[in-house]
Amino acid sequence: EDQVTQSPEALRLQEGESSSLNCSYTVSGLRGLFWYRQDPGKGPEFLFTLYSAGEEKEKERLKATLTKKESFLHITAPKPEDSATYLCAVQALKGAQKLVFGQGTRLTINP
Amino acid sequence: DAGVIQSPRHEVTEMGQEVTLRCKPISGHNSLFWYRQTMMRGLELLIYFNNNVPIDDSGMPEDRFSAKMPNASFSTLKIQPSEPRDSAVYFCASSLTDRGYTFGSGTRLTVV
Repeated sequence: EDQVTQSPEALRLQEGESSSLNCSYTVSGLRGLFWYRQDPGKGPEFLFTLYSAGEEKEKERLKATLTKKESFLHITAPKPEDSATYLCAVQALKGAQKLVFGQGTRLTINP
Repeated sequence: DAGVIQSPRHEVTEMGQEVTLRCKPISGHNSLFWYRQTMMRGLELLIYFNNNVPIDDSGMPEDRFSAKMPNASFSTLKIQPSEPRDSAVYFCASSLTDRGYTFGSGTRLTVV
């Protein structure tokens, strides 16, 4: 069974304090790994897709990396507006377009 | 692009009543997904459609839940009869093959 585990569950940082969120996964053949951001009361918002080990993608203060067992979301010099829950999901080669999500990391950036 | 549109945004109903949630996917997207989100279980896939055909409904909790997609621009998720444990936020998402999903804003369902 495909599984995704995210850590930590919650993270509180000061503005400008860089850190990383972890997503460990087990999947029977990875088609893609997805990162989403979710603000309270809203649906998840797509950030990145990574397809193969060694791949990296960046968007503003966020950079996502991928290995064969885990992915990291690096946040550099975060701002209060980066506060949100960050969700990781995997899509297996089998199972068509189904995404299996982790529980998320709730990130709070204090000014 | 209006995005994925869900209605209603909030629904409060009594136990035993029928509940119907609605979703309009993004025009041109060929896949539609229904997810349920709770604090305990996170985001769980209930069912998804490809080209209006149900592909995987293994996440539907029990026979009280049913979903339809009569055409490419509309889908419903029905719960009959509803129970308090069905209280959750229900999300609809759509995608074009092998692309990331776009989620709607969700329907917060409370069954009392």
